[in-house]
Amino acid sequence: SQTIHQWPATLVQPVGSPLSLECTVEGTSNPNLYWYRQAAGRGLQLLFYSVGIGQISSEVPQNLSASRPQDRQFILSSKKLLLSDSGFYLCAWTGVETQYFGPGTRLLVL
Amino acid sequence: KQEVTQIPAALSVPEGENLVLNCSFTDSAIYNLQWFRQDPGKGLTSLLLIQSSQREQTSGRLNASLDKSSGRSTLYIAASQPGDSATYLCAVASSSYNTDKLIFGTGTRLQVFP
Repeated sequence: SQTIHQWPATLVQPVGSPLSLECTVEGTSNPNLYWYRQAAGRGLQLLFYSVGIGQISSEVPQNLSASRPQDRQFILSSKKLLLSDSGFYLCAWTGVETQYFGPGTRLLVL
Repeated sequence: KQEVTQIPAALSVPEGENLVLNCSFTDSAIYNLQWFRQDPGKGLTSLLLIQSSQREQTSGRLNASLDKSSGRSTLYIAASQPGDSATYLCAVASSSYNTDKLIFGTGTRLQVFP
């Protein structure tokens, strides 16, 4: 069966520090992968999606970036975090007719 | 640009009540609509998916309807239980883009008390 992992589960970082969140999928090959952010009081916002290794599409201009170095690995990064980057980050992949979500990473930028 | 709205934003009801959660979208050219459940601090779980050609889908005590022409969907929860407490999100896949790209509403936070 397919499984999606995210880590870390929780992260507290100072403003201006770098960020690296990792997402890996097991049990499927060549999945479409997605990064979403859920900020307090707001809906899920699609940040990036990827249809293959090295292929990244950005949905919202920001100081975040994404990379897909391997088929089942999706990384969200930042060189310098802002306070507004705080939120709940969810990775997802597309299965049959629906998306499957990881457990999420809660990021607090202080 | 597709926008998805959910009302109410929050709902608190006693156990046993039948509930209706509402979702509206501005562009009727959708590929499908999904309802998800999110428990606090967790990821999302898909509950029901309705294709654009369908009118409704049912799973257990849940029934979702779709009226594409009016841009509306409802999620009906029968005989609510405390375990139904969660945030419910609807999301649409637009047929004019990558059908995997979902546009989410802001959710309805449901609390069912004993």
